[in-house]
Amino acid sequence: GDSVTQMEGPVTLSEEAFLTINCTYTATGYPSLFWYVQYPGEGLQLLLKATKADDKGSNKGFEATYRKETTSFHLEKGSVQVSDSAVYFCALSFGLGSEKLVFGKGMKLTVNP
Amino acid sequence: DVKVTQSSRYLVKRTGEKVFLECVQDMDHENMFWYRQDPGLGLRLIYFSYDVKMKEKGDIPEGYSVSREKKERFSLILESASTNQTSMYLCASRPDGRAATQYFGPGTRLTVL
Repeated sequence: GDSVTQMEGPVTLSEEAFLTINCTYTATGYPSLFWYVQYPGEGLQLLLKATKADDKGSNKGFEATYRKETTSFHLEKGSVQVSDSAVYFCALSFGLGSEKLVFGKGMKLTVNP
Repeated sequence: DVKVTQSSRYLVKRTGEKVFLECVQDMDHENMFWYRQDPGLGLRLIYFSYDVKMKEKGDIPEGYSVSREKKERFSLILESASTNQTSMYLCASRPDGRAATQYFGPGTRLTVL
């Protein structure tokens, strides 16, 4: 079945460090790919997405590129802030309508000042 | 702004009690979802609904049921709560459409004693 594998952490970084969170997927076909973020005490919210190969999603200084050849969607940020401390989830979905999102297990990031 | 609200942030119940978790969304979304979130296990889908009075089992439906009598409201029911149902419960809604954004509520932390 379809699945998402991501770094699980937890990861602790210092402010202004470079961040990469790896995400790879297994799917029959070409899904849409997402990164969701969960800040402490909150539900998840969409961070960015990409719907086809070579698309780059970006938001709040984060970027991820849909790589069909490596079935990956790695999340990067050049300089993290304390406010980026959260849990990050990679996810995929297909098609239209009511299809389910398939989530990775999430990775907790803590950024220290 | 899309809003997904959950009836309680924290809930404490006793083993054997019947528990209702309510979720309301205000954006006329067709699809609604219930997840539970546990450390090391990520998000697991319990049930989802793609229309009023329609429901589909997710990955872990055992011990749970759902009700969707109105489009905006999706209820999760624990018929006889057990200690292994202590968890964070997240509700979400999403419109139809490829790569549509899924919106999450803030979560209900349920403790079963």
